[in-house]
Amino acid sequence: AQSVTQLGSHVSVSEGALVLLRCNYSSSVPPYLFWYVQYPNQGLQLLLKYTSAATLVKGINGFEAEFKKSETSFHLTKPSAHMSDAAEYFCAVKGGNYQLIWGAGTKLIIKP
Amino acid sequence: DVKVTQSSRYLVKRTGEKVFLECVQDMDHENMFWYRQDPGLGLRLIYFSYDVKMKEKGDIPEGYSVSREKKERFSLILESASTNQTSMYLCASLRPVANTGELFFGEGSRLTVL
Repeated sequence: AQSVTQLGSHVSVSEGALVLLRCNYSSSVPPYLFWYVQYPNQGLQLLLKYTSAATLVKGINGFEAEFKKSETSFHLTKPSAHMSDAAEYFCAVKGGNYQLIWGAGTKLIIKP
Repeated sequence: DVKVTQSSRYLVKRTGEKVFLECVQDMDHENMFWYRQDPGLGLRLIYFSYDVKMKEKGDIPEGYSVSREKKERFSLILESASTNQTSMYLCASLRPVANTGELFFGEGSRLTVL
């Protein structure tokens, strides 16, 4: 069965510091992986996705993620955090019938 | 621009009441989903629909039903609301892209059952 584990329910970084949100997956088939972001009082929106074309995936708002098969990881990074990045971030792996299997989410807190 | 609209942002209901949560998308998407979001649990799939009048149970369908009479509208029904159904409910529709697709979400309906 496929699963997703996000390490850390809350991550706090200072403005301007590196953002690193961790995601590990379990899949018996080559995975399709996603990061979605949920800003306060809003629905989720797609940040980026891995579809096997390239291991380093660039998304919106300066975020990127690297697929590492050997580590079964798909960590999300951003070189310099901005106050507007405060949100909850969800990692997901594609299951059957276009369904996604979701991680528990990580709340990113940005300190001024 | 893509839009998924959930009719009610906030609802307060009493135990035993019937609750309707409405979702409308304007993208002519075939696949639509209802999720429940609870802190620390991520998103859990309640039901999804891949065509008009077609539906499939997700991971937590108990206590819920759905209706898809028109392609653009997908409704979630709580026949008899209970306090453990207090939660955030998210509707999404899917734009298929190759083998993956992209989900578009509504802003959510926060339901409190007293």
